[in-house]
Amino acid sequence: AQSVTQPDIHITVSEGASLELRCNYSYGATPYLFWYVQSPGQGLQLLLKYFSGDTLVQGIKGFEAEFKRSQSSFNLRKPSVHWSDAAEYFCAVVFSGSARQLTFGSGTQLTVLP
Amino acid sequence: DAMVIQNPRYQVTQFGKPVTLSCSQTLNHNVMYWYQQKSSQAPKLLFHYYDKDFNNEADTPDNFQSRRPNTSFCFLDIRSPGLGDAAMYLCATSRDTGTYNEQFFGPGTRLTVL
Repeated sequence: AQSVTQPDIHITVSEGASLELRCNYSYGATPYLFWYVQSPGQGLQLLLKYFSGDTLVQGIKGFEAEFKRSQSSFNLRKPSVHWSDAAEYFCAVVFSGSARQLTFGSGTQLTVLP
Repeated sequence: DAMVIQNPRYQVTQFGKPVTLSCSQTLNHNVMYWYQQKSSQAPKLLFHYYDKDFNNEADTPDNFQSRRPNTSFCFLDIRSPGLGDAAMYLCATSRDTGTYNEQFFGPGTRLTVL
């Protein structure tokens, strides 16, 4: 079955530390991959996306993600976290045949310590 | 700036009293979506419009209806809200030209059912 998994429900990092949020999918082909961020009480903002090509994708706010086909992963990274990065992060996938449907992971809540 | 607007941002209704949530867009996108997001959960697609073509998800309750009178506006009607319908409702849009296009989200409407 097609699915997307975010194994970490909650991650806490200190300001200035590096960050990696994990995302794995289960699918026989390469899906379209996205990372969204949601601040409390707000809608979703797209951080970055991967459709094809270079497997290292740069996004907004200093985030990047790397697609690894062998691991069916699309992990989000940031070298130095800022307090304003505290939010919920959702990995989302579009599987072929459902061109308009985003399948979201369950989300990872990020807390940033001063 | 082109954007997705949702009104109101906060809506309180009574158990069983019909309520309508509004979404408008200045992006001139063909596709408009409604998602339900309950506390600490991922967004769940309720339905979407491709132009005037309505597409309902299989597990969306009949209590939820939608209208799209023109390209810019889309409404979510909850005919008889129950306590379990309290959630954040997110509207999104995308331009569909045959390949997948990213979805742009509004800020959401937080619905409380008393």
